[in-house]
Amino acid sequence: QKEVEQDPGPLSVPEGAIVSLNCTYSNSAFQYFMWYRQYSRKGPELLMYTYSSGNKEDGRFTAQVDKSSKYISLFIRDSQPSDSATYLCAAGREGTALIFGKGTTLSVSS
Amino acid sequence: DAGVIQSPRHEVTEMGQEVTLRCKPISGHDYLFWYRQTMMRGLELLIYFNNNVPIDDSGMPEDRFSAKMPNASFSTLKIQPSEPRDSAVYFCASRYGTGFPGELFFGEGSRLTVL
Repeated sequence: QKEVEQDPGPLSVPEGAIVSLNCTYSNSAFQYFMWYRQYSRKGPELLMYTYSSGNKEDGRFTAQVDKSSKYISLFIRDSQPSDSATYLCAAGREGTALIFGKGTTLSVSS
Repeated sequence: DAGVIQSPRHEVTEMGQEVTLRCKPISGHDYLFWYRQTMMRGLELLIYFNNNVPIDDSGMPEDRFSAKMPNASFSTLKIQPSEPRDSAVYFCASRYGTGFPGELFFGEGSRLTVL
């Protein structure tokens, strides 16, 4: 079992839809959680991060972590065609490398 | 800063040939990571360095793979001999320090095809 599991999709939604992307993790030692966004033929870029359970909001994006159930979520409101990308969840602890999920490919049609 | 720079961007080679991928991290970053990305396995950590010293190479698939970081501004990942199953996109990433959030900055990747 991988330490961070993510459904690869693909996920297709119409413009304006609410998107929910989810991951689970198995290592309770993970301290912080991140979402990276990767456009086609580009390297991943940090989208959001959180250090604890709860919600963090940034514009149309909300990251949610539930440490009790080891569940990581990213919500995208009012999705746009420019949100079409692969979204990778990641988890880590201080001094070590980030462990990534497989990534979920999202397509938003106009 | 120009960001993390990787070369070559694309490499097509024959099975059995040696492949060398190169990376220049962001100046001042003290951590450097090599990841490999495939459709089947996603983004997998191969090895990472701290201050040019390899810290964890448990993700290196086999002895055919080796990585070096001779100085703070250069790292190589070498595959010898290469096999078709090595075909993937190889990413280099760098980071400063260990504190949260410890954002990783990725290069654009080296797309390797082994025929």
